[in-house]
Amino acid sequence: DIQMTQSPSSLSASVGDRITITCRASQGISNYLAWFQQKPGKAPRSLIYAASSLQSGVPSKFSGSGSGTDFTLTISSLQPEDFATYYCQQYNSYPLTFGGGTKVEIK
Amino acid sequence: QVQLVESGGGVVQPGRSLRLSCEASGFTFSSYGMHWVRQAPGKGLEWVALISSDGSNKYFGDPVKGRFSISRDNSKNTLYLQMNSLSAEDTAVYYCAKSIFTAVAGTVDYWGQGTLVTVSS
Repeated sequence: DIQMTQSPSSLSASVGDRITITCRASQGISNYLAWFQQKPGKAPRSLIYAASSLQSGVPSKFSGSGSGTDFTLTISSLQPEDFATYYCQQYNSYPLTFGGGTKVEIK
Repeated sequence: QVQLVESGGGVVQPGRSLRLSCEASGFTFSSYGMHWVRQAPGKGLEWVALISSDGSNKYFGDPVKGRFSISRDNSKNTLYLQMNSLSAEDTAVYYCAKSIFTAVAGTVDYWGQGTLVTVSS
């Protein structure tokens, strides 16, 4: 199985900050990488697929990059509604696997 | 708009079975693969299973292989997860999710609100 490792596991940031979350795959997955946002008590929300393509309706302040084993999610200007937990997921091979999550908290 | 509504969760004793359902609307259900993803209390997301659009291909996560089965009824726009030999480790919120592409492979774009399964004596 492909292991997905996210870093950091948590971070504190202020409104307006630019943040970057990293996701590393244990083996190459081309660009078969997705990102999700989840707020407490809510279902996940799909943000990005194919490493850098925005899902419909997702604002352009979210961006993704990477290929192979190393990927990043960047939020250009944090707003109060962006404080949440973010997960990466590889879909290059079965079983599909998620990273452990990165909790973004208000500083 | 796409809507996915799960049902069937509840409290079940260890070793027993439970079947979850997910009713879909707002898209051509028969054209898309469908996933189940779960989340144990306070934990991260865990992919459970995927079924192709016509039901001919099925894939499972390691922890549920051999115990869970996935099926669909395209005439009823409904996805199912049959869970057997349940243990406390299966306690989680179970989400159904729609594949982003019509091909079997791929990630998801829309999620249901989830249904809670609690395995306890």
